[in-house]
Amino acid sequence: DTEVTQTPKHLVMGMTNKKSLKCEQHMGHRAMYWYKQKAKKPPELMFVYSYEKLSINESVPSRFSPECPNSSLLNLHLHALQPEDSALYLCASSLTGTPDTEAFFGQGTRLTVV
Amino acid sequence: GENVGLHLPTLSVQEGDNSIINCAYSNSASDYFIWYKQESGKGPQFIIDIRSNMDKRQGQRVTVLLNKTVKHLSLQIAATQPGDSAVYFCAENIRGGYSTLTFGKGTMLLVSP
Repeated sequence: DTEVTQTPKHLVMGMTNKKSLKCEQHMGHRAMYWYKQKAKKPPELMFVYSYEKLSINESVPSRFSPECPNSSLLNLHLHALQPEDSALYLCASSLTGTPDTEAFFGQGTRLTVV
Repeated sequence: GENVGLHLPTLSVQEGDNSIINCAYSNSASDYFIWYKQESGKGPQFIIDIRSNMDKRQGQRVTVLLNKTVKHLSLQIAATQPGDSAVYFCAENIRGGYSTLTFGKGTMLLVSP
């Protein structure tokens, strides 16, 4: 199994809603990541979890709240988002959190904030 | 301005041609590089990687070249096929610490039959 699975594939939410994005991998990877990708732009790192601990937060607004319940799961809780937060949210995992390991990406959740 | 980056650099080739996609990176401390392919509506897919102690690495139909002197990376695709049509990103990782992939701007490859 070399897959990173993200749900839902599409999400439309209002600015007052609370929703969560989910990510799952069963490759035994101990590092997991959230990236944000706007149209025609490269992915931008948001968070890094290593061994279920938040290691890096790239100055992401608090309306995005990550959670790593166990080594296979990564969530991104969303609250009070703005329309400019509409984007493709990508989850990735790698064997370790060191910089020389390949990261595998999920298919992403296409988020639209209305 | 706001319009910068809305139009990806595009490389158009005929099926069977060889393609070369280029990438400039900025950080001299980067020592691990990956090329990703991203098809429309999908997540980035790993193609090939290279460490800074190498200047060339070959995979199946793909070759990555690294020139650390001018901080330049290239991806060569041999006998390009319509299924190779996608956006290609180079990504760099900095020595030490945690993995924090920084992606380049991307190049759209269009392959005509």
